[in-house]
Amino acid sequence: DVKVTQSSRYLVKRTGEKVFLECVQDMDHENMFWYRQDPGLGLRLIYFSYDVKMKEKGDIPEGYSVSREKKERFSLILESASTNQTSMYLCASSWGPGLAGELFFGEGSRLTVL
Amino acid sequence: AQTVTQSQPEMSVQEAETVTLSCTYDTSESDYYLFWYKQPPSRQMILVIRQEAYKQQNATENRFSVNFQKAAKSFSLKISDSQLGDAAMYFCACLYGQNFVFGPGTRLSVLP
Repeated sequence: DVKVTQSSRYLVKRTGEKVFLECVQDMDHENMFWYRQDPGLGLRLIYFSYDVKMKEKGDIPEGYSVSREKKERFSLILESASTNQTSMYLCASSWGPGLAGELFFGEGSRLTVL
Repeated sequence: AQTVTQSQPEMSVQEAETVTLSCTYDTSESDYYLFWYKQPPSRQMILVIRQEAYKQQNATENRFSVNFQKAAKSFSLKISDSQLGDAAMYFCACLYGQNFVFGPGTRLSVLP
């Protein structure tokens, strides 16, 4: 089975702190994604990556950056956390386009910024 | 812009009964794929069922089936013989190329 592991299930940070969310997948997937999930808004794409060291902005990249130094690892960085970044963050990976684009998700990281 | 709409924020169903969750989408793409994902409470999101837009036949996975109406851009999910374990958030999603667009979700409660 595909396993996508997110480093932290719950985090509490203070405004202005730097936050790292890490994600690792074990199926050699090409594509990795970071989503933000908020009630009533569904999942919104922050950043995605199709290959090592490549990244593309999603729908809501402001205030976030990402890093993909190795194929299996995709990190989301909040340079200076703000209260409006309190949310559930979901990492996902996929093999490729079409039906191969089925997403496999991690359990999520719930971030609270005080 | 591509959009996915789920008009039912919450639904409930009696155990063993059938429930249908609605989803509509808007796209000008000719090649796309549709998915229903399930997110149980405090657990990771998993795929329920998927449909290729070029296929007219509705997808079925055990107790889960879809009603795909391409002209109407409608993709509803039917859950038969509902079980307590079906209680979850359900997200409809459309895949264009390598980009997913998700709906806002429907929270399904299953009553014993």
